Amino acid sequence: EAQVTQNPRYLITVTGKKLTVTCSQNMNHEYMSWYRQDPGLGLRQIYYSMNVEVTDKGDVPEGYKVSRKEKRNFPLILESPSPNQTSLYFCASTPRGRAYEQYFGPGTRLTVT
Amino acid sequence: GENVEQHPSTLSVQEGDSAVIKCTYSDSASNYFPWYKQELGKRPQLIIDIRSNVGEKKDQRIAVTLNKTAKHFSLHITETQPEDSAVYFCAASTGANSKLTFGKGITLSVRP
Repeated sequence: EAQVTQNPRYLITVTGKKLTVTCSQNMNHEYMSWYRQDPGLGLRQIYYSMNVEVTDKGDVPEGYKVSRKEKRNFPLILESPSPNQTSLYFCASTPRGRAYEQYFGPGTRLTVT
Repeated sequence: GENVEQHPSTLSVQEGDSAVIKCTYSDSASNYFPWYKQELGKRPQLIIDIRSNVGEKKDQRIAVTLNKTAKHFSLHITETQPEDSAVYFCAASTGANSKLTFGKGITLSVRP
């Protein structure tokens, strides 16, 4: 089954404790992105990757890191989480040439206390 | 950069009525305009898209229209049903491999 998976789905953590949210896709898509969704603010892009070892900042990259060592995986790293990073996070993958056709993962609900 | 705005932020209709959700965009170079539906607790999913060389596109009860001169596009849902209740996001992109910018979303409620 073609899918995008994220782990964990829910996470409660404390300020400053490093965490990683994993994202994996099995559709051989070149492009992958991370978004955060906050009430009234919609979907805002954090980082994106156009291929292995190629990543770039989106609209709200501060406080986040990413890596793309393999085509299928695109982890999101929060080195020192803060309460303003409490949000719903979505990973998405996209086939080359169809950037408007995003396949979203199930989401990760992160709470930073 | 691109700015996509959606109006209104919430919309309530009676079951069976039509719903129209409007979006405006700022970058005249944008030429891909997808719409995503997000049901409560679920992930956003692409439901329909339109490209700049097309003025209207239909898929069963949903249709999208595009006015490039005015830089706005709309989602039309006919014969609304309770399962149409969701958050709808419009988005815009300047190219097939370019960044997708989303609007803030509109919550559609269909009253039974």
